[in-house]
Amino acid sequence: DAGVTQSPTHLIKTRGQQVTLRCSPKSGHDTVSWYQQALGQGPQFIFQYYEEEERQRGNFPDRFSGHQFPNYSSELNVNALLLGDSALYLCASGRPRGSSYEQYFGPGTRLTVT
Amino acid sequence: AQRVTQPEKLLSVFKGAPVELKCNYSYSGSPELFWYVQYSRQRLQLLLRHISRESIKGFTADLNKGETSFHLKKPFAQEEDSAMYYCALSGQGKYGNKLVFGAGTILRVKS
Repeated sequence: DAGVTQSPTHLIKTRGQQVTLRCSPKSGHDTVSWYQQALGQGPQFIFQYYEEEERQRGNFPDRFSGHQFPNYSSELNVNALLLGDSALYLCASGRPRGSSYEQYFGPGTRLTVT
Repeated sequence: AQRVTQPEKLLSVFKGAPVELKCNYSYSGSPELFWYVQYSRQRLQLLLRHISRESIKGFTADLNKGETSFHLKKPFAQEEDSAMYYCALSGQGKYGNKLVFGAGTILRVKS
């Protein structure tokens, strides 16, 4: 099991463009969460998907949207990119049992907006 | 509001010295606390969680609800402990709640 995988590894986009990031969860996991990690900061929660629906959302604008597919993989879409969207985007997967659960992180996608 | 504070950006110690990475949190309710570690060029990984009460790689952390702290400790630092350490909390939620992270502390163990 390769664990959580993300693609692409790096991405450079221009301000105003749109971007799609992809995540495949660890085998056996059905929940995917996305985090944004700006330079020098800890990861910040964007949203969480379970059963192909967005279940929780952090304090991010509607420009950030996502999707979960029947095979549990997920996409993060960001529209109208801003310079401030430059960050490492992390995907984490897990299998909730009870009130909380262990999340496994992917290596991240480094997005640079110029 | 949910908040995690790690007051030190960098902690530098000598090999064999004790280590304490500080973490304070703010949460109304009963959170679950975690320590995550990121070694150079590796992904973020769970080090320990307070409900497990385990000792991983010699590290321990005790949840102090009175002081709202979850400090990470190790009696004798090793060079391979050098990494970025993040404290995080999770609330309660039907689908497993989001993680709220601190800004992280770089631990540098010198020989």
